[in-house]
Amino acid sequence: DIQMTQSPSSLSASVGDRVTITCQASQDISNYLNWYQQKPGKAPKLLIYDASNLETGVPSRFSGSGSGTDFTFTISSLQPEDIATYYCQQFDNVPRTFGPGTKVDIK
Amino acid sequence: QVQLQESGPGLVKPSQTLSLTCTVSGGSISSGSYYWSWIRQPAGKGLEYIGRIYHSGSTNYNPSLKSRISISIDTSKNQFSLKLSYVTAADTAVYYCARETGAVAGTQSFDYWGQGTLVTVSS
Repeated sequence: DIQMTQSPSSLSASVGDRVTITCQASQDISNYLNWYQQKPGKAPKLLIYDASNLETGVPSRFSGSGSGTDFTFTISSLQPEDIATYYCQQFDNVPRTFGPGTKVDIK
Repeated sequence: QVQLQESGPGLVKPSQTLSLTCTVSGGSISSGSYYWSWIRQPAGKGLEYIGRIYHSGSTNYNPSLKSRISISIDTSKNQFSLKLSYVTAADTAVYYCARETGAVAGTQSFDYWGQGTLVTVSS
């Protein structure tokens, strides 16, 4: 299985701050990486696919980059509604695997 | 709009079999473009991929659960199901069904999810 790691595990930032989360795969996965947002009590929501493509309807303050083993997810200006846990997920092979998540809250 | 809805018992006794069904509406489960997947999440923890099924009945399972899992599909009812046998407390989790794109070509992502159903394993 491909192991996914994320850092940090949690962060606290102010409204308007730039927030960056990193995700690392245990082997080269090209750009076969997605990012999801999960709010408490809700199912995950797809935000970014293919490492850097914004899902339809997702605000442009969300972005992703990277390829190979190292990936970055950015919120350019944190908003109160962005409080959630963010997960990366590889789709290079099966079983699909997710990172452990990064919990984002407001300082 | 595609919707997925999980259903099944919320309480299962240890060593018994957990059975869940996902009903898909707003789209056909027979579409060749998608996989139909199960993912679970223990309370306060991350997401664990369980497995998936294609409309043909072809399956892929997580090796960590493979000996205990069975996923099936009923295209006439637009449903797919999960059976997990010999459950223990470690199988207590919210279970999600989800649609994965890209079965034929293109990107692969979980674009639609059910709301999730909590299954507790306890005597």
